[in-house]
Amino acid sequence: QVQLVESGGGVVQPGTSLRLSCVASGFTLGGYGMHWVRQAPGKGPEWLAYMWYDGSKEYYTDSVKGRFTISRDNSKNTLYLQMNSLRAEDTAVYFCARDFIVGDIVTNAFDIWGQGTMVTVSS
Amino acid sequence: SYELTQPPSVSVSPGQTARITCSADALPKDYAYWYQQKPGQAPVLVIYKDTERPSGIPVRFSASSSGTTVTLTISGVQAEDEADYYCQSADSSGTYWVFGGGTKLTVL
Repeated sequence: QVQLVESGGGVVQPGTSLRLSCVASGFTLGGYGMHWVRQAPGKGPEWLAYMWYDGSKEYYTDSVKGRFTISRDNSKNTLYLQMNSLRAEDTAVYFCARDFIVGDIVTNAFDIWGQGTMVTVSS
Repeated sequence: SYELTQPPSVSVSPGQTARITCSADALPKDYAYWYQQKPGQAPVLVIYKDTERPSGIPVRFSASSSGTTVTLTISGVQAEDEADYYCQSADSSGTYWVFGGGTKLTVL
C-alpha cells in the first residue's frame, strides 16, 4: 500500500526548532520529487518546500526561506523538514506529499499525502 | 508569486450541478489542479492538468479552463461530495506552487 507517514510534530515555544519526518512505504521515495505543505487551523493548504527526487535542487516559499530546510535520505525512504526559529504563525498541520507522475511526465500536482502532523508554536 | 481566488462557499441540492471557479491574478502559468478535502483528512486530487481525472475519481467530477479562470464541475452532486475544494497551480518552471483559498461545498 502506497503511503506517507509524518511524525515529529508537537507543542514548542517560539524561537525553538523542530524536525519533521515523512516515511514512505509501498513505493521508492528516490523516484519522486517531494513536497511539504502545511495547513493552519481553518485555512487552506500552503505549499512550503520541494526537493527533487535526487536531492539536487530545493525550493521554498518566501515565508519559510532561511528558516526551514527540506532534506531526504532515499536509502531510508524518508523526507525531512528542519524548522528553525519557529513562530506562532507556523502553527499548522504539516503534510508531506508526492509528485504526481503521469507516464514519464512529472506534473505539478500532489497525488499521495500523509495524514499530517500537528505543530503548535506557543509560549 | 501569484494568487488563486475561489468563492468561499457554494451550496447545491443533491442531484444538482455544482460549479466552483478559480481565478488567477495573472496569465495562466502551469495547469490547474483540484483537490477535495473532508474534515480531518488530507486533500485528495480530483482533477489534474486542467481537465483530466485521476483513476478512481468518479466521472461526475469534471473541469474546464478559459483564460485565467478554471472551473470544477460536479454533476449530480451527492451528499458525500460535501467537502472543501481547493484549486492549485504552479509557476511554469516548477519552482513555486500555490493553492487557492478554498471553497466549501454544502449539499443542502
